[in-house]
Amino acid sequence: GQNIDQPTEMTATEGAIVQINCTYQTSGFNGLFWYQQHAGEAPTFLSYNVLDGLEEKGRFSSFLSRSKGYSYLLLKELQMKDSASYLCAVRPAHTPLVFGKGTRLSVIA
Amino acid sequence: GAGVSQSPRYKVAKRGQDVALRCDPISGHVSLFWYQQALGQGPEFLTYFQNEAQLDKSGLPSDRFFAERPEGSVSTLKIQRTQQEDSAVYLCASTSGADGELFFGEGSRLTVL
Repeated sequence: GQNIDQPTEMTATEGAIVQINCTYQTSGFNGLFWYQQHAGEAPTFLSYNVLDGLEEKGRFSSFLSRSKGYSYLLLKELQMKDSASYLCAVRPAHTPLVFGKGTRLSVIA
Repeated sequence: GAGVSQSPRYKVAKRGQDVALRCDPISGHVSLFWYQQALGQGPEFLTYFQNEAQLDKSGLPSDRFFAERPEGSVSTLKIQRTQQEDSAVYLCASTSGADGELFFGEGSRLTVL
């Protein structure tokens, strides 16, 4: 079966750094994605990791360790507009993405 | 259009009614996916098309759910005899290849009374 775990909720302060963790157990692995979803809107793509290591894109970075079945999304210099749900998704082999339940991030002043 | 378009954005149905949800993917995108997202949850896979072929329908929760993509472009998700547990947002996504990032539409929010 496929299992993806991430915290349900997190709160962080504007201007700070927050790390959202994701652990997964899947039959096969062909990449891990992070999506951002504001309430009532479509998920939008943030990052993709298929090899171990850190991928940096502006204020957002994503890390992957395949041997540990672990990823994190790092958000720097938090802004109020970063308040959203962050979805971790894994592609097991060449099959459709499997999503976690999402982490709802609240950024406070 | 520039993005994935879904209609209707909101649908209220009485229990037992049939509903049809439409998805217009990004032009030229070969692969099309349907996901169901309950409130406060992540998207759950329903079914997947490559062109007009339905390659995986393992996520459809019952035989009341049916999806088609007859000409390899627009897709319709049909739910027959709707039940309250069908209330959710139905997300459509497309991608140019089977393994690329998914581009999502804004979803169709179905409420069954």
